Amino acid sequence: AQKITQTQPGMFVQEKEAVTLDCTYDTSDPSYGLFWYKQPSSGEMIFLIYQGSYDQQNATEGRYSLNFQKARKSANLVISASQLGDSAMYFCSIKAGNEKLTFGTGTRLTIIP
Amino acid sequence: DSGVTQTPKHLITATGQRVTLRCSPRSGDLSVYWYQQSLDQGLQFLIQYYNGEERAKGNILERFSAQQFPDLHSELNLSSLELGDSALYFCASSGRNSNQPQHFGDGTRLSIL
Repeated sequence: AQKITQTQPGMFVQEKEAVTLDCTYDTSDPSYGLFWYKQPSSGEMIFLIYQGSYDQQNATEGRYSLNFQKARKSANLVISASQLGDSAMYFCSIKAGNEKLTFGTGTRLTIIP
Repeated sequence: DSGVTQTPKHLITATGQRVTLRCSPRSGDLSVYWYQQSLDQGLQFLIQYYNGEERAKGNILERFSAQQFPDLHSELNLSSLELGDSALYFCASSGRNSNQPQHFGDGTRLSIL
């Protein structure tokens, strides 16, 4: 079974600063993928970034990057130059073996103007 | 716009009733997943279909059932509804490769009175 741990229930960050959202995972499967999603207050789930277990480089997508430390089983999301529109819930998830996603409990990020 | 369409957006009904939630996946995606998001359980995987066949089952109650039709749209049927079934129900779809993300619909918010 897979498990995701997100230890930050909430974070407050000043606009334009960078923010790191923590995620640790547990799986016995050597092949897995890590996915981050954003859920604004309107409720939809928006895919942000993907990291594969065999990827040699950290994933990047625009202002999003993933700090992947395989030995520590961590996959922290870094958002650079935060914007007011980044205020949302952020979920880390893992897919291994079967194809379902296992989600963490999420981090509520609030950007302060 | 994720390309995944869920209807209806909101559903209000009473205990003991039955409802059907509908999902149309992104064009070309063969896999459909159903998730339930509630305050106490978080995001939980319910069931997956691939090209019309059930592929994986999660924490889905016996009162719940799903199917995927030849045109690949899927329906989630919830019966003998209880107050605890109130939640946001998501449908997601993905392509064949394991590194492809699941794209989520906007969800159906179910309220049981």
